Amino acid sequence: GEDVEQSLFLSVREGDSSVINCTYTDSSSTYLYWYKQEPGAGLQLLTYIFSNMDMKQDQRLTVLLNKKDKHLSLRIADTQTGDSAIYFCAVLPYSGGGADGLTFGKGTHLIIQP
Amino acid sequence: DVKVTQSSRYLVKRTGEKVFLECVQDMDHENMFWYRQDPGLGLRLIYFSYDVKMKEKGDIPEGYSVSREKKERFSLILESASTNQTSMYLCASSLSQKQAGLEKLFFGSGTQLSVL
Repeated sequence: GEDVEQSLFLSVREGDSSVINCTYTDSSSTYLYWYKQEPGAGLQLLTYIFSNMDMKQDQRLTVLLNKKDKHLSLRIADTQTGDSAIYFCAVLPYSGGGADGLTFGKGTHLIIQP
Repeated sequence: DVKVTQSSRYLVKRTGEKVFLECVQDMDHENMFWYRQDPGLGLRLIYFSYDVKMKEKGDIPEGYSVSREKKERFSLILESASTNQTSMYLCASSLSQKQAGLEKLFFGSGTQLSVL
């Protein structure tokens, strides 16, 4: 099955850019997602990208997809204390499948230093 | 906004007890899911349902069952709670997809269950 890997921790200074990386194994993956989990809360969909795109930008967020290397990244510009959270990469391995096919990474804790 | 409500934020139960975790969504979503979240293991799918009275096993169904008698409610049942079921339990829902492949999950805030 699909395997999704992320680093467990990332520490950045407030105001710097954060780059959270994710690698996956299934080259047929269709949609790729980033979810954010703030302390004491459930996951919230942050953004997603379809596999025929290389990049998607939404305000401070930039998603980059390298299909050849099966690498997905989330860049947060001008990182703020409110960005402190766990970020989950999730991959849907094939088109037409339901959300039960979603594979989540283990999550990256983003730690903001003042 | 879609709201997924889990009935309890924290629960403490004893080994062997039968435990019910309730989840209600208010957006008429067809699909509902139960995950557990453990440090270092991420999210693992326990059970899911794509319709009323329908249920399917996820990746780790052992020790759990579910009930979906009404569209808006999806219950997770621990028949005989054990200490290794101490975890954060997350309920999620999604709309049945009209655009193939795009799955947006909406999560509840989670129930932290401790089994002593």
